[in-house]
Amino acid sequence: GAVVSQHPSWVICKSGTSVKIECRSLDFQATTMFWYRQFPKQSLMLMATSNEGSKATYEQGVEKDKFLINHASLTLSTLTVTSAHPEDSSFYICSASLLRANEQFFGPGTRLTVL
Amino acid sequence: GDSVTQMEGPVTLSEEAFLTINCTYTATGYPSLFWYVQYPGEGLQLLLKATKADDKGSNKGFEATYRKETTSFHLEKGSVQVSDSAVYFCALSDGGGTYKYIFGTGTRLKVLA
Repeated sequence: GAVVSQHPSWVICKSGTSVKIECRSLDFQATTMFWYRQFPKQSLMLMATSNEGSKATYEQGVEKDKFLINHASLTLSTLTVTSAHPEDSSFYICSASLLRANEQFFGPGTRLTVL
Repeated sequence: GDSVTQMEGPVTLSEEAFLTINCTYTATGYPSLFWYVQYPGEGLQLLLKATKADDKGSNKGFEATYRKETTSFHLEKGSVQVSDSAVYFCALSDGGGTYKYIFGTGTRLKVLA
């Protein structure tokens, strides 16, 4: 149980285009989803927290107009990287948690390469 | 604020050696503590967890005990295998209502045959 999927697993795009990454909880309803970014050989950096039906809460320094997060249902959250540039290339990981649960379940990650 | 300090890597061991990866934390409340493992190109997998003081988490031969008096959650395994080569992350969940995780920097383990 508690499986989280991400799609796509990897994506290559041209500079200036937008990319959407989906995060789904497959066998549970996730009231909260988290989006992380990981640079090579580094730890995970929390980008934002999203609760179903409400606006995402972004961490300090994360551009909300650059990284659009939508959490339209209890099983789906999306991260859209708008007008992507090479510096946005990274490994993006989502996680999901249950209401008032103190544990997150992680997706397999999406590797974004912007040319 | 809350924080997690994890021993620097990389750690290189021979197969069947004993493993310890140190993790200490600072927290104002009563956090839950976790160890996650990340294999190359993959997401994080939960290895074990502990939710209160003196709890011992264990899985696949790995163990860690939640020590409130020393604010530690060291990961141990008695006999490592080549397949244990990965990056290990210690994390805490603040339990203060946000349920955010704070991660350590990660420790890369390489086990040689």
